[in-house]
Amino acid sequence: SQTIHQWPATLVQPVGSPLSLECTVEGTSNPNLYWYRQAAGRGLQLLFYSVGIGQISSEVPQNLSASRPQDRQFILSSKKLLLSDSGFYLCAWTTQGMNEQFFGPGTRLTVL
Amino acid sequence: AQTVTQSQPEMSVQEAETVTLSCTYDTSESDYYLFWYKQPPSRQMILVIRQEAYKQQNATENRFSVNFQKAAKSFSLKISDSQLGDAAMYFCVTTSGTYKYIFGTGTRLKVLA
Repeated sequence: SQTIHQWPATLVQPVGSPLSLECTVEGTSNPNLYWYRQAAGRGLQLLFYSVGIGQISSEVPQNLSASRPQDRQFILSSKKLLLSDSGFYLCAWTTQGMNEQFFGPGTRLTVL
Repeated sequence: AQTVTQSQPEMSVQEAETVTLSCTYDTSESDYYLFWYKQPPSRQMILVIRQEAYKQQNATENRFSVNFQKAAKSFSLKISDSQLGDAAMYFCVTTSGTYKYIFGTGTRLKVLA
C-alpha cells in the first residue's frame, strides 16, 4: 500500500533562517506531488506541484522554492524565512490522471 | 478560473441526526472530478467521497452521500446518523485542468451530543 511521509512534524525557526521540509511517498511510482500551505482555520493554498523529476510548477510568487531530486521525494525550501511563512504545510500525491489526492500528516511551521 | 464556494463557515448537528453541507463551483471544463475532504483536529486530510462529473449517479459511501447537480454546479454533502467523530472541517474540492485541485474555504462541522 502507498504511504506518504512528511518531516519534521513541527518546526520553530527564527526569521531569516533557512528552511527544508521533506516529503516522500512509498508504494507508487511517478506520482504527481504537491505542496500546500494552510493558514489557521483557512483553506489550502497550492504552492508547487511536480509531475516528474526536476519538473516544478510554482503557483504563488514567494520566497519559497521546491525541488524533486528523486521520483518520490519532494522538498520545500527557503533561503530566508519570513514571519508570513508560518503555517501548516501539507504534501500530497496523486497517480497520473486526476484522481483523489492523498495527503501527508503535515508540518506545522512557526517563524518567530 | 475555477472557484469553489462553501457558503456555510460553520454548521452544527445533533448526534444521530442528518446534516447537509453546501458547495457550489464554477468551471468551464466538461470533464472534472469533485471531492469532499475531512480535516479533523489532527489536521490530517481524509478523503470522504468523490464524484466524476460525467457520472449522473450520486456517489455514496456508507453514511456519506452527495447531491450532484451538474447544471447548477452544486455538490452538497449529506451526512446521515451523525457521529461525534464526524466533527471536523470539511472541504469541497474540484479539479482544474490536468493537475490542479481547487479547494473551498471549508465548513466547520460541530456534532452535539
